Amino acid sequence: EDKVVQSPLSLVVHEGDTVTLNCSYEVTNFRSLLWYKQEKKAPTFLFMLTSSGIEKKSGRLSSILDKKELFSILNITATQTGDSAIYLCAVGSNSNYQLIWGAGTKLIIKP
Amino acid sequence: DAGITQSPRYKITETGRQVTLMCHQTWSHSYMFWYRQDLGHGLRLIYYSAAADITDKGEVPDGYVVSRSKTENFPLTLESATRSQTSVYFCASSATSGSSDTQYFGPGTRLTVL
Repeated sequence: EDKVVQSPLSLVVHEGDTVTLNCSYEVTNFRSLLWYKQEKKAPTFLFMLTSSGIEKKSGRLSSILDKKELFSILNITATQTGDSAIYLCAVGSNSNYQLIWGAGTKLIIKP
Repeated sequence: DAGITQSPRYKITETGRQVTLMCHQTWSHSYMFWYRQDLGHGLRLIYYSAAADITDKGEVPDGYVVSRSKTENFPLTLESATRSQTSVYFCASSATSGSSDTQYFGPGTRLTVL
């Protein structure tokens, strides 16, 4: 059965710290891995990764995919209180139209 | 306004009532999805649609009905609401296959079934 596992489930750090969120997957016919940020509303898209070893970067956020070891990481440097959110990882396959979602990592940034 | 909208944003209903949640997108995206999000379960797919008049079940379809007579609309109906259907419901759309393109989410509908 296809699955996506995120770790840790929750994380509390202080402003200015760097955090690394993990997403591992077992998905048949992998096609893409997506990261979303969810504050007190709908998930918003961050990154889509399809190729191993190519870092995607947006400001203080970056992500990379390892298709051999079947995982991705999302890094946030110099964290700010506005980074507090649930970070969701989802994986798509060529087998169907659906995304398989992880349970999310709840990140809390303390001032 | 452009984008994807949902209505109502909040709804309280009683067990056994029929409820319809609306979803409208202005991007002419082919694919549309309905999710529910509950604590401890993350996002779970209820139904999805690849185009007008084409719908298919997701992970948790029981108790729900969808239709898609027009590309831009994808209503979700709870035929006889139960307390277990209390949840936050998100509609999403994507331009092509949901597995190869980004899904964009509506603001959500918080449904409470008493």
